[in-house]
Amino acid sequence: DTAVSQTPKYLVTQMGNDKSIKCEQNLGHDTMYWYKQDSKKFLKIMFSYNNKELIINETVPNRFSPKSPDKAHLNLHINSLELGDSAVYFCASSQLASGNTIYFGEGSWLTVV
Amino acid sequence: QQQVKQSPQSLIVQKGGISIINCAYENTAFDYFPWYQQFPGKGPALLIAIRPDVSEKKEGRFTISFNKSAKQFSLHIMDSQPGDSATYFCAARGDNFNKFYFGSGTKLNVKP
Repeated sequence: DTAVSQTPKYLVTQMGNDKSIKCEQNLGHDTMYWYKQDSKKFLKIMFSYNNKELIINETVPNRFSPKSPDKAHLNLHINSLELGDSAVYFCASSQLASGNTIYFGEGSWLTVV
Repeated sequence: QQQVKQSPQSLIVQKGGISIINCAYENTAFDYFPWYQQFPGKGPALLIAIRPDVSEKKEGRFTISFNKSAKQFSLHIMDSQPGDSATYFCAARGDNFNKFYFGSGTKLNVKP
C-alpha cells in the first residue's frame, strides 16, 4: 500500500493549459504539503494544509491553487501553464504535533511545451 | 536566499570508502535536522535525523555530526556501497508548522 500517492506521475502539456495533480495519503496524518523540485534538484515548499486549513503559503504565483477536500487529500491546480512550471511536484504528509518526519510521494513530472 | 547550504554538489567515492556531505545554516531557531535520500524517479525518504542538543547520532553505517556553535552538520556514510548511490538532501525545520528548508542536494556515486 502506497503511503502517499499522487497522480498523474507524468504530465506533458502545452503552454496556457490548466492542469491538476491529485494527492492522497493513507497514513492518517493531519498535515499535507506540496513541494516543487526544479531541474537542479532544489526542493522548495509551496503550500501546506493542516486539517484542511492552509498553514504555509510560500511566494507562489496565483496560478497555483491548492485545495484540500479532507485531511487525506491535497490537490494542486495550475492555471495558464508556463514553460517555467516544468518541474517535479512532490506531495508529502506528516503528523504535525507528534512527528517530525515528512513522507513524500513519488512525484509528478510536469513538462510544459 | 538559501536557508541551508549544502556541499559538495556531487561526490564520487570508491566502494568501502567514507562519504561525507556537509551542511550549514544561519537560523538558530531551527530545531530539527533530517537527512533525506532520493533515488532516481522516487521521492525523498528520511534517512536519519538529529536534534541540536545532540552532537552525534549513528544508525548503522550512517552518522550525523552536529556542531551547534558552528551551525554546521554533516552526514557520514561509512563503508559506502554502490546501493548508496543516490541524491542526499539535508534539511532544517524552521517552525512549528513543520516547515522544512532543504539543502541543494548532493549526488553521490559509489564506484564498485
